[in-house]
Amino acid sequence: SQTIHQWPATLVQPVGSPLSLECTVEGTSNPNLYWYRQAAGRGLQLLFYSVGIGQISSEVPQNLSASRPQDRQFILSSKKLLLSDSGFYLCAWSVWGRGYGYTFGSGTRLTVV
Amino acid sequence: ELKVEQNPLFLSMQEGKNYTIYCNYSTTSDRLYWYRQDPGKSLESLFVLLSNGAVKQEGRLMASLDTKARLSTLHITAAVHDLSATYFCAVAPSAGGTSYGKLTFGQGTILTVHP
Repeated sequence: SQTIHQWPATLVQPVGSPLSLECTVEGTSNPNLYWYRQAAGRGLQLLFYSVGIGQISSEVPQNLSASRPQDRQFILSSKKLLLSDSGFYLCAWSVWGRGYGYTFGSGTRLTVV
Repeated sequence: ELKVEQNPLFLSMQEGKNYTIYCNYSTTSDRLYWYRQDPGKSLESLFVLLSNGAVKQEGRLMASLDTKARLSTLHITAAVHDLSATYFCAVAPSAGGTSYGKLTFGQGTILTVHP
């Protein structure tokens, strides 16, 4: 069966520090991978998505970046965090065409102080 | 641009009562999803609706899809406290174009069930 792993679960980082969040998927190949952010107050915003190794599409301009070095690995990074980067970051995967929608990881709660 | 609107955004119910959450979307789609989120947790998939007229039921929750009206409903029957959570609908545009494969979420409905 397919599983998605996301870590760390919580993170407190000072303003200006770098960030690296990792997500890996098991049990499937060539998944579509996504990073969402949920700010306080509920809404989910799509940040990045990837349909293959090295293929990254950005949805919103920001100081975050994403990379996909391996088929089932998706990394969210920042060189210098801002206070506004605080939020709940969710990684998700899908294999489109099966209509399964997204399966979400457990999330990382990031607080920038 | 695909827009997804849920209403109500806040729902306070008494146990045992029935209620419906509505999800409207702005462009053609035949794929709609409902998710549940408990406080501090990730999203859990509830229903996947893939065709016009689709109806799915799980326990006290029933979801339906009307693609012609661009409307999905999540009906709650005889609510219990354990249903308290935030419920999201999410829509994928029909195949083709640059938006294919990307879900757009509604704002979420915070459901609180009181004794």
